[in-house]
Amino acid sequence: SYELTQPPSVSVAPGQTARITCSGDVLPKQYAYWYQQKPGQAPVLVIYRDTERPSGIPERFSGSRSGTTVTLTISGVQAEDEADYYCQSEDSSGTYPVFGGGTKLTVL
Amino acid sequence: EVQLVQSGAEVKKPGESLKISCKGSGYSFTTYWIGWVRQMPGKGLEWMGIIYPGDSDTRYSPSFQGQVTISADKSITTAYLQWNTLKASDTAMYYCARRGSSSDGFDPWGQGTLVTVSS
Repeated sequence: SYELTQPPSVSVAPGQTARITCSGDVLPKQYAYWYQQKPGQAPVLVIYRDTERPSGIPERFSGSRSGTTVTLTISGVQAEDEADYYCQSEDSSGTYPVFGGGTKLTVL
Repeated sequence: EVQLVQSGAEVKKPGESLKISCKGSGYSFTTYWIGWVRQMPGKGLEWMGIIYPGDSDTRYSPSFQGQVTISADKSITTAYLQWNTLKASDTAMYYCARRGSSSDGFDPWGQGTLVTVSS
């Protein structure tokens, strides 16, 4: 079982906005991170410390937090954004990293 | 360029031992953590453990404690993940990834090492 809960799938048309949520009791106390994993590739960090974007990540990727839920928002979704997305934070004791179950983003 | 390059795919039999590697370059190897993550076929990411090569401080997920050993050789900027007795259920892709601190994400990741355990 996961301490972080994500929806299994999200679908969106090209050019629209995709929102992927991640819920967990630890989230008000710990930072959240988001990773993109395309088929056959290693994960890539797209958001760190809830809202920060690493260099090289397009501006259409953004992160936000509200209470026990963090959200990855992809504005103006492109076909290349189709991937699995994982949130990550720390476990309830703050000792170990923990991943959400992942969300498959489908671009219709 | 910061890079983590992992060793190649392995095919092993149940009961055999295995050590896979992750070589870091382009940064100060001893001042960043290296974590290991398992991804079973068609499944999500699972954090296994992490090592700080500077002093070999190592921490394991409770799910993997006693099942694997994580080590590092800072002289050759390489971290390792080792099994003494492989099981079929160890079949998975294994990734290493760098982390600066508990308030940093895992970035970058190695390309992954596919381990297949089959009789």
